[in-house]
Amino acid sequence: NAGVTQTPKFQVLKTGQSMTLQCAQDMNHNSMYWYRQDPGMGLRLIYYSASEGTTDKGEVPNGYNVSRLNKREFSLRLESAAPSQTSVYFCASSGETHGDTQYFGPGTRLTVL
Amino acid sequence: QKEVEQDPGPLSVPEGAIVSLNCTYSNSAFQYFMWYRQYSRKGPELLMYTYSSGNKEDGRFTAQVDKSSKYISLFIRDSQPSDSATYLCAMRGGGSYIPTFGRGTSLIVHP
Repeated sequence: NAGVTQTPKFQVLKTGQSMTLQCAQDMNHNSMYWYRQDPGMGLRLIYYSASEGTTDKGEVPNGYNVSRLNKREFSLRLESAAPSQTSVYFCASSGETHGDTQYFGPGTRLTVL
Repeated sequence: QKEVEQDPGPLSVPEGAIVSLNCTYSNSAFQYFMWYRQYSRKGPELLMYTYSSGNKEDGRFTAQVDKSSKYISLFIRDSQPSDSATYLCAMRGGGSYIPTFGRGTSLIVHP
C-alpha cells in the first residue's frame, strides 16, 4: 500500500516551458488535491477534485490546469512556467477514513529559472 | 486576519521537555481538527485527528480542542530529537470538506 505517490521528485524548468506533475493514490479515495507550499505562506490549495470527472479551483489556480484521469490519478499541468511558480507541490487525497482527512504525497520540488 | 493563526516559531526545547503547540481560529463552524507533522523535505503526515471538543491521547501526544475559546493545542511529552519537525494544524467544518491549514510551527528538540 503506497498511499499517495508523486512524480517527479525534482524538476528544473526554464521560463515558458511546460510540464505535468503526476499524482496517484491507492487508497480508493474519492477526493484529490494539489497544494503548493512556499516559505512563510503555508499550504495553499491550487485545485481539487471531489470525485472522478469533477475539478474545482482553489485559492491560487492561475497558471495551472488539472486533469482527473480516473479515480486514482490527478495531474497538475503548468502550460508556461514562470519563476513565481517555483515551489514545492504536494498532492493529497481524502476519503471516508477519519472523516475526509487528507493524506499527502512526498512532494515535487520545482524550480523555474 | 487569517482564519487559522499559528506561531511559526522556531520553538527550541531540550530533550525530555513537554512541548505545547497551539492554533487559534475564527470560524465557529469548524468541527474537525487535525495535526500534521512535516519533516524537512517530506510531505505532511497525519498525526492526530479530533472531532469537536475535548482531548485525545496517542502515546506521547495529546490533542486538545477548546471550541469555546477557538483554541487547539498539541502536547508532546518526553520530547525527543526525532520530534524535530514542523507541525501544522488544520481544521474544517460548516459543510466543507476542504481543510484550512495553519502556517506551521517549527519545533527543534536538542539533545
